Amino acid sequence: NAGVTQTPKFQVLKTGQSMTLQCAQDMNHNSMYWYRQDPGMGLRLIYYSASEGTTDKGEVPNGYNVSRLNKREFSLRLESAAPSQTSVYFCASNLGQARQPQHFGDGTRLSIL
Amino acid sequence: GENVEQHPSTLSVQEGDSAVIKCTYSDSASNYFPWYKQELGKRPQLIIDIRSNVGEKKDQRIAVTLNKTAKHFSLHITETQPEDSAVYFCAESGGGADGLTFGKGTHLIIQP
Repeated sequence: NAGVTQTPKFQVLKTGQSMTLQCAQDMNHNSMYWYRQDPGMGLRLIYYSASEGTTDKGEVPNGYNVSRLNKREFSLRLESAAPSQTSVYFCASNLGQARQPQHFGDGTRLSIL
Repeated sequence: GENVEQHPSTLSVQEGDSAVIKCTYSDSASNYFPWYKQELGKRPQLIIDIRSNVGEKKDQRIAVTLNKTAKHFSLHITETQPEDSAVYFCAESGGGADGLTFGKGTHLIIQP
């Protein structure tokens, strides 16, 4: 089992460019999440998908869109990248039942110039 | 989850001593409290978690305590070792499929 796999690992964009970050899990988890991590800020929830076919906003959704493609895959899209979106992005998944641990991918380090 | 305060932001202890990191939360509905360890450039990794129907949980050198009345929970690491050096994050959720609300992290430094 690979767990949670994120691609790409690194990316540099210019302001205004678009980009999709990919996430896939092979643990048969129902719920998937996207977080961003900035220095000194901990991790903040961008969007989540409680189950296939549903998505909901988290704490910092502005400037992002998501797609739950199927049970395994959950993508995050930046339509028009801004320097403020420079961050490390983590995808996570869990069973989706109450009080279950989340398992994280290795992250995507994104820089926007 | 609403807000999670984590203290201290940096903690330096001598190897072999104990380390304690504390978090407070504001949402009375919170009922799940995990702790993650993150080494530089790596993913956050779950080290221990506690659910609201339990006051304390131990796993070898690591323990977590929860006081629901006061809305705070703490991570205790005993007999610290150099490999314990990392950033530790507390988090909470209200259950279901909701995401986690994280504290801002504690940089734990183990002095040889």
